[in-house]
Amino acid sequence: AQSVTQLDSQVPVFEEAPVELRCNYSSSVSVYLFWYVQYPNQGLQLLLKYLSGSTLVKGINGFEAEFNKSQTSFHLRKPSVHISDTAEYFCAVTRRTGGFKTIFGAGTRLFVKA
Amino acid sequence: GAVVSQHPSRVICKSGTSVKIECRSLDFQATTMFWYRQFPKQSLMLMATSNEGSKATYEQGVEKDKFLINHASLTLSTLTVTSAHPEDSSFYICSARPGTGENTEAFFGQGTRLTVV
Repeated sequence: AQSVTQLDSQVPVFEEAPVELRCNYSSSVSVYLFWYVQYPNQGLQLLLKYLSGSTLVKGINGFEAEFNKSQTSFHLRKPSVHISDTAEYFCAVTRRTGGFKTIFGAGTRLFVKA
Repeated sequence: GAVVSQHPSRVICKSGTSVKIECRSLDFQATTMFWYRQFPKQSLMLMATSNEGSKATYEQGVEKDKFLINHASLTLSTLTVTSAHPEDSSFYICSARPGTGENTEAFFGQGTRLTVV
């Protein structure tokens, strides 16, 4: 079985400040890792993904994340946030075998203040 | 990138009626599709996994007779909410996965907001 823990339900931050959204996972098998963003009443948009290779992954809108296998973490970072980054962010893991089910974390609400 | 289209984006239905939601992969063949449900201000909960031409695999606690899933072709899966009740009101999202190789991710539709009145 796999699980995803997003350690912060809400993260308020001022515009142009850096931000880190934390994600830890557990799984008995190898997984792929993803971060998605969801704006109100919309579907999911993929920010970035780790499938293999370099552990530092760069995504859209200036976001990046680092896969740390020993700490089973995949924290999302942005050096300078904008008001438009206000949204819900979901960390997700997908099993590499056995059905490829994707399990989501509870989500982190990023609120960027002026 | 790969595109997954969900229809309708919003639907309002009367209690006791059935509603069908379609999920289509527009530019790839999806051997596997997934259906999720999202309650307000909560995460996505996997409801079921469907493979083309076979019965869907439902997650524990999901009523298979209430949420009928059909994956009749490699580009279309449907979710039918039967005898809908207000507690079925939710945001339903599908995803589709191309191929069976390792490095293939799932692509998400834009979701369907179901309101049962």
